[in-house]
Amino acid sequence: SQTIHQWPATLVQPVGSPLSLECTVEGTSNPNLYWYRQAAGRGLQLLFYSVGIGQISSEVPQNLSASRPQDRQFILSSKKLLLSDSGFYLCAWSVYQGAGNGYTFGSGTRLTVV
Amino acid sequence: QKEVEQNSGPLSVPEGAIASLNCTYSDRGSQSFFWYRQYSGKSPELIMFIYSNGDKEDGRFTAQLNKASQYVSLLIRDSQPSDSATYLCAVSRSSASKIIFGSGTRLSIRP
Repeated sequence: SQTIHQWPATLVQPVGSPLSLECTVEGTSNPNLYWYRQAAGRGLQLLFYSVGIGQISSEVPQNLSASRPQDRQFILSSKKLLLSDSGFYLCAWSVYQGAGNGYTFGSGTRLTVV
Repeated sequence: QKEVEQNSGPLSVPEGAIASLNCTYSDRGSQSFFWYRQYSGKSPELIMFIYSNGDKEDGRFTAQLNKASQYVSLLIRDSQPSDSATYLCAVSRSSASKIIFGSGTRLSIRP
């Protein structure tokens, strides 16, 4: 069966520090991968999605970037964090390029920028 | 106008009653509709998806879709305290399109 892993679970970082969040999927090949952010009490905002190695689409211009160095690995990065980058970061995957039968989410990383 | 709108709640329902959660969407061309459940501090979990007008039942959950009214709902029968969570409605234009999420309705089941 397929599983998705995200780490770390929680992170407290000072303003101006770098960020690297990692997501990996097991049990499938060539998944479609997504990074979402959920601010406190808010909905899910799609940040990036990827349909293959090295293929990244950005939904919202901002302080973050994403990379997909391997088929089942998706990384979210920042060179300098802002206070507004605080939130709950979720990685998701799907078999289909699009909605299909819905996305499956990882357990998330709660980021607090101080 | 938001693409997917939900009442933020909280919606308080007595244990054993039917909880009714509603969602409207703006894109008339939307074809796929999803309901996710999110417990506090946890990630969203897909509980239902529906593509066709009408009702789709899965255990205590029923999703209802009315494309003419651009309305989708989720009914939870025999509500349990474990159903207390935020329910996210999500919509996609097609199976090849990305999913757009609403901001969620917080449901509280009182014993």
